Amino acid sequence: NAGVTQTPKFQVLKTGQSMTLQCAQDMNHNSMYWYRQDPGMGLRLIYYSASEGTTDKGEVPNGYNVSRLNKREFSLRLESAAPSQTSVYFCASFRGTLEETQYFGPGTRLLVL
Amino acid sequence: RKEVEQDPGPFNVPEGATVAFNCTYSNSASQSFFWYRQDCRKEPKLLMSVYSSGNEDGRFTAQLNRASQYISLLIRDSKLSDSATYLCVSRGTDSWGKLQFGAGTQVVVTP
Repeated sequence: NAGVTQTPKFQVLKTGQSMTLQCAQDMNHNSMYWYRQDPGMGLRLIYYSASEGTTDKGEVPNGYNVSRLNKREFSLRLESAAPSQTSVYFCASFRGTLEETQYFGPGTRLLVL
Repeated sequence: RKEVEQDPGPFNVPEGATVAFNCTYSNSASQSFFWYRQDCRKEPKLLMSVYSSGNEDGRFTAQLNRASQYISLLIRDSKLSDSATYLCVSRGTDSWGKLQFGAGTQVVVTP
């Protein structure tokens, strides 16, 4: 039981390049999320998927797209990377019960030059 | 105004001492509250849920004050390994579990 996994762990991009961050969970959770974390800003929600087949914008969606490939996998795509997207990206999942909360993957550190 | 606000610290604490800090939330409809721990930009990990009656888990005690809209975390007998950033988190009433994160309070336990 690996929980939430993310690939890659680190990535360096040049401005304008594209890439996809991968996230998978093996806990049979319904909802999945993508966050970015910048110094002093806390975690900000980029996109989320409440259930398989649905996706919605979060607080900071501009410059990103997502795909909920199946119940396990939720990917985040940067079509044309910008230096402002340099950040640490976390994926999380949530079963959907009031007693529980979100569980996070180990993160992807992205540097856009 | 941020929905969840925390004192960024750092709170410098001698080993063995007690440290306590609060966070405030602005949405009175928030239903659930949590404290997460985060080490050196690693992933946040759930430390404990916060119940209306308050709850304790070993050396950690969390309290919720709905009237004043704040949550507290107290760490007793601080260990060097308690050095981390503690994130205060609230959740509203929607079914998909959207969380609001504070920016975190840094705790540094010194020998």
